[in-house]
Amino acid sequence: NAGVTQTPKFQVLKTGQSMTLQCAQDMNHEYMSWYRQDPGMGLRLIHYSVGAGITDQGEVPNGYNVSRSTTEDFPLRLLSAAPSQTSVYFCASSSATGAYGYTFGSGTRLTVV
Amino acid sequence: AQSVTQPDIHITVSEGASLELRCNYSYGATPYLFWYVQSPGQGLQLLLKYFSGDTLVQGIKGFEAEFKRSQSSFNLRKPSVHWSDAAEYFCAVGPPSYGKLTFGQGTILTVHP
Repeated sequence: NAGVTQTPKFQVLKTGQSMTLQCAQDMNHEYMSWYRQDPGMGLRLIHYSVGAGITDQGEVPNGYNVSRSTTEDFPLRLLSAAPSQTSVYFCASSSATGAYGYTFGSGTRLTVV
Repeated sequence: AQSVTQPDIHITVSEGASLELRCNYSYGATPYLFWYVQSPGQGLQLLLKYFSGDTLVQGIKGFEAEFKRSQSSFNLRKPSVHWSDAAEYFCAVGPPSYGKLTFGQGTILTVHP
């Protein structure tokens, strides 16, 4: 059982470039979300989804887009990368009951130069 | 608005000593509380969660946490720390599965032999 899979693990972008961080889960979880982790700030919610076709903004959504066309996938798009988006990004999923808490992927370390 | 405060940024203990990591939360409804652990370069692993019922919650790796509503606290404890417990620990609050977790800033645990 793979759980939550994030790709790529590392990425370097130039300012202004766009890219998509991939997130896939094989647990048939209804809820998925994206967080960014910065030193001393814990994890902050970027966007989340409660099901296919339904997304909403979290605490720090600016500069990011999401869509959820299937239950399994929840990609995060950076429209025009900025140095302030240098961070570690985590995707998480949970079932409707939350019985097992949230399952996190292993993260994507993004550097914008 | 929900929030989590972990007052200790960095804690150092000797192997075999007891451990308590503090967590205070603010949440408008019945809180759902989580403790996660993150080893360097890794994702987050769920240690334990509190949804309701017994206020003393047992988790994995010998950890436990006590929910105290009157103090808005959810402190993590371990009676005897092992060198492998060195990691960063995050307290979080939110709905059980909706995808909107709020994290504390994290506490880095160093274990001396």
